Amino acid sequence: AQRVTQPEKLLSVFKGAPVELKCNYSYSGSPELFWYVQYSRQRLQLLLRHISRESIKGFTADLNKGETSFHLKKPFAQEEDSAMYYCALSHLNYGGSQGNLIFGKGTKLSVKP
Amino acid sequence: DGGITQSPKYLFRKEGQNVTLSCEQNLNHDAMYWYRQDPGQGLRLIYYSQIVNDFQKGDIAEGYSVSREKKESFPLTVTSAQKNPTAFYLCASGPSMNTEAFFGQGTRLTVV
Repeated sequence: AQRVTQPEKLLSVFKGAPVELKCNYSYSGSPELFWYVQYSRQRLQLLLRHISRESIKGFTADLNKGETSFHLKKPFAQEEDSAMYYCALSHLNYGGSQGNLIFGKGTKLSVKP
Repeated sequence: DGGITQSPKYLFRKEGQNVTLSCEQNLNHDAMYWYRQDPGQGLRLIYYSQIVNDFQKGDIAEGYSVSREKKESFPLTVTSAQKNPTAFYLCASGPSMNTEAFFGQGTRLTVV
């Protein structure tokens, strides 16, 4: 069965330090992977998706199929990056007619001044 | 103003009663989802729908039911069979599977 694992519940770093939020997935096919972010008192929203291979707010994520990982990275953390981050996987079942979108348990990032 | 709207924001229910949470979107999205968000549990998928008149169970469908009679609406009913219904419920929609999902503001359900 498909599964998304975020091993860290909480990650605390100082402003300007590098950040890496870990995400591992379990899926035998070719999944679509996403990072979503939830800032305080705001809706959950998409941060980035692996297929677009872009950098959003300084964050990047590379899909490593060999390690089944999709870690989120930023070289210099800012205080406004403090939020809840969720890794998500979307897939199509065999035949391409069904699928769903599943999430990890989330990592709370706290960036201290 | 386009978007996805959940109502009400807060909902109280007496134990043993069914309650229906509303989710409406005017984004012309085919896919819609219901999640339950509990502290330390992340988002767990309850039901999802790829198209009108079709929906599939997610990981924790027991005690819940849905309908998808219209493209823009995907109401969730929390039945009395749900053992622990107090939670924060999130609805989302997307153009199709494998694309970005847009989330509502959520409904906090409390059973009293």
